[in-house]
Formats: sequence, structure tokens, C-alpha cells
Amino acid sequence: AQKITQTQPGMFVQEKEAVTLDCTYDTSDPSYGLFWYKQPSSGEMIFLIYQGSYDQQNATEGRYSLNFQKARKSANLVISASQLGDSAMYFCAMREAPTGKSTFGDGTTLTVKP
Amino acid sequence: DAGVTQSPTHLIKTRGQHVTLRCSPISGHKSVSWYQQVLGQGPQFIFQYYEKEERGRGNFPDRFSARQFPNYSSELNVNALLLGDSALYLCASSLDRPGTIYTDTQYFGPGTRLTVL
Repeated sequence: AQKITQTQPGMFVQEKEAVTLDCTYDTSDPSYGLFWYKQPSSGEMIFLIYQGSYDQQNATEGRYSLNFQKARKSANLVISASQLGDSAMYFCAMREAPTGKSTFGDGTTLTVKP
Repeated sequence: DAGVTQSPTHLIKTRGQHVTLRCSPISGHKSVSWYQQVLGQGPQFIFQYYEKEERGRGNFPDRFSARQFPNYSSELNVNALLLGDSALYLCASSLDRPGTIYTDTQYFGPGTRLTVL
């Protein structure tokens, strides 16, 4: 069975600094996709970045980058130049091939301090 | 283009009642998935439908059922509501091109917050 582990329940970062949110995963399937979502207090899940299991390069999307270490089964999210609006819950998720089901971690609450 | 829409946004029911939640996917998306998110946890997979067929089902009791219509919109039905069914119910749509399902992003709607009293 697939499993996502996010070991940091809460993180604090100073505005304009970079922060890394950890995510490790477990699967026996060679084909999978890794996704990061942001969930503000309003509840809507906002897609941030994607990394495929066969991708050779780490994904980047603006201030977001994904540090993908396949051998260690980790997919950490790096947010550069943090902004106050980045304060939210962040979820790591893995999507599997046959059913398209996504398995989510329990999330990390990020608080950006002014 | 409009994103994923869900209705209603909030719902209050009592134990034993039945509820129907609705979801309209992004135009062109043929896949709809339903997730339950209890406070303080990540979303848990309930169902996925693709081209009106059930593709996957999570570990939820038979009180939970769903269907997808010819226009790809979807309904989630929950019978005999329990207090533990109180949660945010999220609908996600995705393109799900054949052979590359795991690479396609699921885009989520704003959710329906269900409270069971």
C-alpha cells in the first residue's frame, strides 16, 4: 500500500527566507506522480507542483521547487522568499497508476512571520 | 475557464439522514474523484469515476455511493449519516489521459462542509 509521511506538523519561517517542507513516500509501483498542494484556512486545495517518478530533473514552479531524491524516497518542497500569504497547510500526495487514487500525508502547517 | 464547482458549500444534517453532494468538473476533464477530509488530517480517497465508470473505491462503508453523469458531473451520496461523517468533502477533476493517469494533476473544488448533529 502507498504511504506518505510528513514529519513536521508545524513550521515557522521568517518573511523573505526559504523553507523546506519534508515528505517521504513508500510504494512498490515504479510509476507514480508526486504532488504538493496548499490548503489555506478557506479549505480549498490549491495545486502547487508536480514531479513524475521518471523525471530526471527536479520540478520548479516560480518560488516553488521540489527536491526529488528517488533512492531515498523523498520529495521535499522548497519555498523561496517566503511571503505572509504562504501561511497555510501544505500536503504532499502521491498518485498511483491503476486507479488514479491520490494518497495524502497529514500535512504541515506553515506560518510565515513578518 | 471555470474551475471545479461543488454544491452546497455547507450542510447541516442529523444522524440517520441522507445527503447528496454535487460536483462539476473542469470542462474537458472526464475523471472525478471524491475525498473526505476530517479536521487535522489529510484527505482520504472515497471514489474515482472515469467516463461514468467506477475506477477505484477507498475503504469506506457501503453507506457511501457515487455516480457520474454523461456530462461528467458527479454526485456523492451518504446514507444513514453518523456523527463521524462530519468532514469536508472534496471533489477533484483530472484529465486522466490513458496510460498516464498518475501524471495528471487533480484539481480540487472548494469542498462541501458537512456537519452531522
